[in-house]
Amino acid sequence: EPEVTQTPSHQVTQMGQEVILRCVPISNHLYFYWYRQILGQKVEFLVSFYNNEISEKSEIFDDQFSVERPDGSNFTLKIRSTKLEDSAMYFCASRWTGEPFEKLFFGSGTQLSVL
Amino acid sequence: SQQGEEDPQALSIQEGENATMNCSYKTSINNLQWYRQNSGRGLVHLILIRSNEREKHSGRLRVTLDTSKKSSSLLITASRAADTASYFCATGIKAAGNKLTFGGGTRVLVKP
Repeated sequence: EPEVTQTPSHQVTQMGQEVILRCVPISNHLYFYWYRQILGQKVEFLVSFYNNEISEKSEIFDDQFSVERPDGSNFTLKIRSTKLEDSAMYFCASRWTGEPFEKLFFGSGTQLSVL
Repeated sequence: SQQGEEDPQALSIQEGENATMNCSYKTSINNLQWYRQNSGRGLVHLILIRSNEREKHSGRLRVTLDTSKKSSSLLITASRAADTASYFCATGIKAAGNKLTFGGGTRVLVKP
């Protein structure tokens, strides 16, 4: 089965630094998402992206966060100035228009550690 | 909010036994999905049930949906040690772009 690819698998950064998490969604998918999971907690929705613009974003997705699809294949999440509480596993997901169209395909995640 | 809450939070069973976990949610939905997560890994889609459906099967999985009670259950029959994982329900609303809202998950341990 095709896969969503995320890089890096682990990222360690200092508080206040910018990080970019990268994702390559499945090639014929049109809807893209970022979720995060703080250790031991629920998987939380951050943002959805369709037709080169944000469709919806959560309260977590504040001005420090941004997403981009720079070249038609990559989908990135940028955190401008990381905080300790940004430490989490970040998952990229994509969705197609086939059946079932509601199904999300998730990447393996990027574990972000902010020190 | 449209949160899913699951119970039990953890489940320990012997190989060959059935595992049942439940999910409750608060608002109307268009679909409910179950995902599996092995420790430290990504989420893998298991099965989807739409709001006009009551029961679906996929291999050893059986999912039910009761929209009047706003609840769903996932049954794994004849469990195997390889079924050890966390299982999450996720609810979707078409009007919200089909974004999913996840429950807290059930950690299942299948002992050989």
